[in-house]
Amino acid sequence: DSGVTQTPKHLITATGQRVTLRCSPRSGDLSVYWYQQSLDQGLQFLIQYYNGEERAKGNILERFSAQQFPDLHSELNLSSLELGDSALYFCASTPGQNNSPLHFGNGTRLTVT
Amino acid sequence: GESVGLHLPTLSVQEGDNSIINCAYSNSASDYFIWYKQESGKGPQFIIDIRSNMDKRQGQRVTVLLNKTVKHLSLQIAATQPGDSAVYFCAENRGVGGGADGLTFGKGTHLIIQP
Repeated sequence: DSGVTQTPKHLITATGQRVTLRCSPRSGDLSVYWYQQSLDQGLQFLIQYYNGEERAKGNILERFSAQQFPDLHSELNLSSLELGDSALYFCASTPGQNNSPLHFGNGTRLTVT
Repeated sequence: GESVGLHLPTLSVQEGDNSIINCAYSNSASDYFIWYKQESGKGPQFIIDIRSNMDKRQGQRVTVLLNKTVKHLSLQIAATQPGDSAVYFCAENRGVGGGADGLTFGKGTHLIIQP
């Protein structure tokens, strides 16, 4: 068990809808990362937060947004969903910012129909 | 293009044998490398990491070798067990600015353990 908790485990929704994925990092970790994993793209970095502040952005669509709350949990919001957004969404955490191995949660499987 | 890649998408080995999973990277500025294991229905699990000032690091039944001359990374698993069946990813961190935002993952190699 990595100590990173993600909810829900599965999510099925229709195109055009909006969903929120939740992540609780490991105790003491200040950085939270969001990754998308699809069959054809592998693990793609979306966004990172450190102690409540956005730290880095990767290949995150404008329809997607995230935030990290004072208690350090994070939410990833996906809106105007398209079929191609179906994927596994992983959250990972580290204590700091640099060169620490990421500890991943077990992901949320999103299916857009 | 992607700077981290794996030579073999699928590797099948006999239980008890050693297995070697290879990874090539193209960015000479990368200074930190990680191997992850992902089992079905789970998130990637950290196995072992290595920094660019080292060429070998050993863990429990695993060894990571780094050859900076040819930009090659390998993961050796000794005496493979059924529980080693998973997809293995290498990842590199380019080090510029630090942070896992610079962490690039390979596509993965599926390791299958034959009984």
